[in-house]
Amino acid sequence: GENVEQHPSTLSVQEGDSAVIKCTYSDSASNYFPWYKQELGKRPQLIIDIRSNVGEKKDQRIAVTLNKTAKHFSLHITETQPEDSAVYFCAASPGSKLTFGTGTRLQVTL
Amino acid sequence: DTAVSQTPKYLVTQMGNDKSIKCEQNLGHDTMYWYKQDSKKFLKIMFSYNNKELIINETVPNRFSPKSPDKAHLNLHINSLELGDSAVYFCASSRPGTSTSNSPLHFGNGTRLTVT
Repeated sequence: GENVEQHPSTLSVQEGDSAVIKCTYSDSASNYFPWYKQELGKRPQLIIDIRSNVGEKKDQRIAVTLNKTAKHFSLHITETQPEDSAVYFCAASPGSKLTFGTGTRLQVTL
Repeated sequence: DTAVSQTPKYLVTQMGNDKSIKCEQNLGHDTMYWYKQDSKKFLKIMFSYNNKELIINETVPNRFSPKSPDKAHLNLHINSLELGDSAVYFCASSRPGTSTSNSPLHFGNGTRLTVT
């Protein structure tokens, strides 16, 4: 089955700096790569997703890149703000089963 | 208007008891899931149903039994609760995936189960 590794497990950045979270996956059949944000005590919520026919996708301060050959994808957050502090999960899916990474706790300090 | 709602929000019970968690979605999705999030925040799929049919059953103890009376509801019954069952259980739904496409998961707000 699919195995998703995510790094780093914790990330602390200053407000205004950029944050990058990286994930690798094992199943070359995976074709869908969403990212979820989970604030403390709340449910995971989709922030951006990318499909295997696209190499990069942007939505305001958030971007995701995908390298199918190397089987890795990354989340980039620019101009970080305190409200970006949360746990971020990557995930990969070859079909209807989504496998999540282990999460990255992002702390944005003032 | 909550899209995926699950009850109860909190559940505190003693070892050996049996408990149920209910989930309902009003998004018109065909596929529903149960995920378990442990204290380290790992999110692991437990079960998936597509239009009332079980399609994913991960290595979950037999004490956990999902039931889907219709495609808008997926309940989780847990027998003989153990300390290790303490976690947050998330229900989710999505449109069904195909071999060439997937759709996002919509999560409920979670049920925090504490077994004492």
